[in-house]
Amino acid sequence: AQSVSQHNHHVILSEAASLELGCNYSYGGTVNLFWYVQYPGQHLQLLLKYFSGDPLVKGIKGFEAEFIKSKFSFNLRKPSVQWSDTAEYFCAVSGGYQKVTFGTGTKLQVIP
Amino acid sequence: GAVVSQHPSRVICKSGTSVKIECRSLDFQATTMFWYRQFPKKSLMLMATSNEGSKATYEQGVEKDKFLINHASLTLSTLTVTSAHPEDSSFYICSARDTGRSGNTIYFGEGSWLTVV
Repeated sequence: AQSVSQHNHHVILSEAASLELGCNYSYGGTVNLFWYVQYPGQHLQLLLKYFSGDPLVKGIKGFEAEFIKSKFSFNLRKPSVQWSDTAEYFCAVSGGYQKVTFGTGTKLQVIP
Repeated sequence: GAVVSQHPSRVICKSGTSVKIECRSLDFQATTMFWYRQFPKKSLMLMATSNEGSKATYEQGVEKDKFLINHASLTLSTLTVTSAHPEDSSFYICSARDTGRSGNTIYFGEGSWLTVV
């Protein structure tokens, strides 16, 4: 069975601070990894995804994530956050063509 | 890009009635769709995997007879909440897997708020 763990439940940062949200997964085979974002009052949107190839994945709005296979991690990073990045972020894993399992989410609050 | 549409976005129904929520993939064919429920202040809970042309696969603890899922075509899956109760009030989200152009990406619908009164 696959599982996802997000370590930070609530993160508060000032604008221009750097962001790193942790995500660890558990699955024995090849995985597809995703980060989704849910802005207040809006639906889930795909930030970035990893299927294969370069383990450093760049997504929209300046976000990136690095797949470290040995650590079973897929942490989300952004060098300088903005107030508009305030949202809830979900890491997700899908083993091959199996269902997608979500982490519990991390609420990010960016203070102007 | 790929778009998944849900309808209705908000619905209020009386206790004991049934309500249907539709999930459509607008520009790709989806053999697999997923239905989630999002509880307040909690993460998404997968309810079932909807497979085109076959029975849905339900997660443990989800009542099959209460949450009827039909995936009759490659672009449409429906979730019917039967004999709705107030505790069924929730935010229901569908997603669809695009195995074509975007290489196995999961796209989400906008979600549907169900309120049972």
